[in-house]
Amino acid sequence: GAGVSQTPSNKVTEKGKYVELRCDPISGHTALYWYRQSLGQGPEFLIYFQGTGAADDSGLPNDRFFAVRPEGSVSTLKIQRTERGDSAVYLCASSLFGTAISSTDTQYFGPGTRLTVL
Amino acid sequence: GDSVTQMEGPVTLSEEAFLTINCTYTATGYPSLFWYVQYPGEGLQLLLKATKADDKGSNKGFEATYRKETTSFHLEKGSVQVSDSAVYFCALSASPGAGSYQLTFGKGTKLSVIP
Repeated sequence: GAGVSQTPSNKVTEKGKYVELRCDPISGHTALYWYRQSLGQGPEFLIYFQGTGAADDSGLPNDRFFAVRPEGSVSTLKIQRTERGDSAVYLCASSLFGTAISSTDTQYFGPGTRLTVL
Repeated sequence: GDSVTQMEGPVTLSEEAFLTINCTYTATGYPSLFWYVQYPGEGLQLLLKATKADDKGSNKGFEATYRKETTSFHLEKGSVQVSDSAVYFCALSASPGAGSYQLTFGKGTKLSVIP
């Protein structure tokens, strides 16, 4: 498919466990974003990659959260020692250039991974 | 920091009614403004955008005008359909030159259109 894909679609884990969430962006998109959406809220920014590097990680809530994008395409969001408050839908988006001023540079979102921490 | 405030929902309208969902923002400089829509069971989709003051974004009969003087980007549609039932999110991204263009979203407004 041509869109952003995320796996798994659902993840249930126990408090204290480690989880990895994967994002496969649209081919050729240099910018990749992670967001977190809690129930009844809008998505909140976590981290932004331009190529392989994390250009802005100011949204990561604490050092239990980490993300990588080693080859500039697929990204993995890693959460250590999960807590019940981490339960949310984790969204990934990609865009061609990573700017907002071009009429063609839209962020395209994946379907999300619903994480439930018991 | 940047923020977006949008009309609380849920909003219930009859088919063919006029829709307005209010959105105001706080940001420095000249952000870009967006409306995203999330249909039931689907992911977020861009509905329309505007990148400078007085620009009008439009798509699928929806319109929104970037009003710098009132820091607003209200969404309107003249005649809603049942298929417009969804959650609508207003969002902004930073001014050009900021270096990072993540989206700041409002809380979302759920629209239900009844036949």
